[in-house]
Formats: sequence, structure tokens, C-alpha cells
Amino acid sequence: SQTIHQWPATLVQPVGSPLSLECTVEGTSNPNLYWYRQAAGRGLQLLFYSVGIGQISSEVPQNLSASRPQDRQFILSSKKLLLSDSGFYLCAWSVQTSGLGTQYFGPGTRLLVL
Amino acid sequence: QKEVEQDPGPLSVPEGAIVSLNCTYSNSAFQYFMWYRQYSRKGPELLMYTYSSGNKEDGRFTAQVDKSSKYISLFIRDSQPSDSATYLCAMSGVWGTYKYIFGTGTRLKVLA
Repeated sequence: SQTIHQWPATLVQPVGSPLSLECTVEGTSNPNLYWYRQAAGRGLQLLFYSVGIGQISSEVPQNLSASRPQDRQFILSSKKLLLSDSGFYLCAWSVQTSGLGTQYFGPGTRLLVL
Repeated sequence: QKEVEQDPGPLSVPEGAIVSLNCTYSNSAFQYFMWYRQYSRKGPELLMYTYSSGNKEDGRFTAQVDKSSKYISLFIRDSQPSDSATYLCAMSGVWGTYKYIFGTGTRLKVLA
């Protein structure tokens, strides 16, 4: 069966510090991978998605970036965090079929920027 | 107009009640319809998914899709306090796009 991992679970960072969040998927090959942000009381905002190694599509212009160095690894980064970057970050995967089918989420990383 | 509309709630019901959760959408090209349950401070968990129109039942949960009305529903029978969570609807399947469109979620409280 497939499993998706995210770490860390919780992170408190000062404004201006760098960020690196990691997501890995087990039990599947060549998945589509997604990063979302969920602000308190709000819906899911798609940040990035990837359909293959090194292929990243950005949905929202911001100070975040994403990379996919391996087939089942997706990394969300920032060089300098802003207060507005606080939120719940979720990684998700789906089968590699042009957005058809279901999407599965990881446990999430709660980020607080102070 | 948002692509997906979902009442944020909160919806409070007594234990044992039948719960109806709904979403409306505007893009007739959607093909896959999903319901997720999200407990506080956890990632969304896939509950049900339906391809195209029709009903799908799984235990106490029934998902309905009416593509002609652009309306989807999730019914929970014999609701339990453990069903208290936020329920998100989601849609996908527009050919050529990899995006999933989510509702903002309905917060449900089942009172013991």
C-alpha cells in the first residue's frame, strides 16, 4: 500500500530564516506530487505541483519554491520566511494520469513564523 | 463565482442523526468527485470518491453526484461523535490540467 510522509510535523521559525519541508511517498512510482497551504479556517491553496523529476509548476507567485530531486521526493523551500508564510502545509500525491482519479494527503507540517 | 461552493457551517447535529453535506460547482468538465474528512490538525483523509454521476455507498456514508445540477452530496447515517470533523469536497478530471479544486470545508459537530 502507498504511504506519504511529511516532516517535520511542527516548526517554529523566525522571520527571515530559511525553510525546508520534505515529503516522500512510498509504494507507488512516478506519482503526481502537490504542495498545498491551508490557512486557519480557510480552504486549500495549491502552491506547486510536479508531474515528474525536475518538473515543477507554480500556482502562486511568492517567496516559496519547490523541487523534486527524486521520483518520490518533493521539497518545499524558502530563502527568507515572511509572517504570512505561517500555515498548515500539506503534501499530496495522485496517480500519474493528468489529474484524473483521487488524491491522497500526508499528515501535514504546521509552520509558525514569528 | 467560485468554482466550488461549500457552506462552512458549523453544522451541529445530535448523535444518530442523518447528516447531509453539499457542494455546488460551476465547471461541467469535472469528472471525479471526492469527499475528504479532516480532523483538527491532521491531513485530509479520503472518504469517498465517485466518477461521473450516480450514487456510491460505503457503510454509513453515501456520496451522490448530480452532474445536470452541478451538485454533489455526502450523507452520513447514524452519525457518531467521532464523525465530528471538517468535510471537504473536491473535484478533478478536466483533461489537460493536473489540478484538484477543493471546497472550503464544512465543520460538523455531532453531539453525544
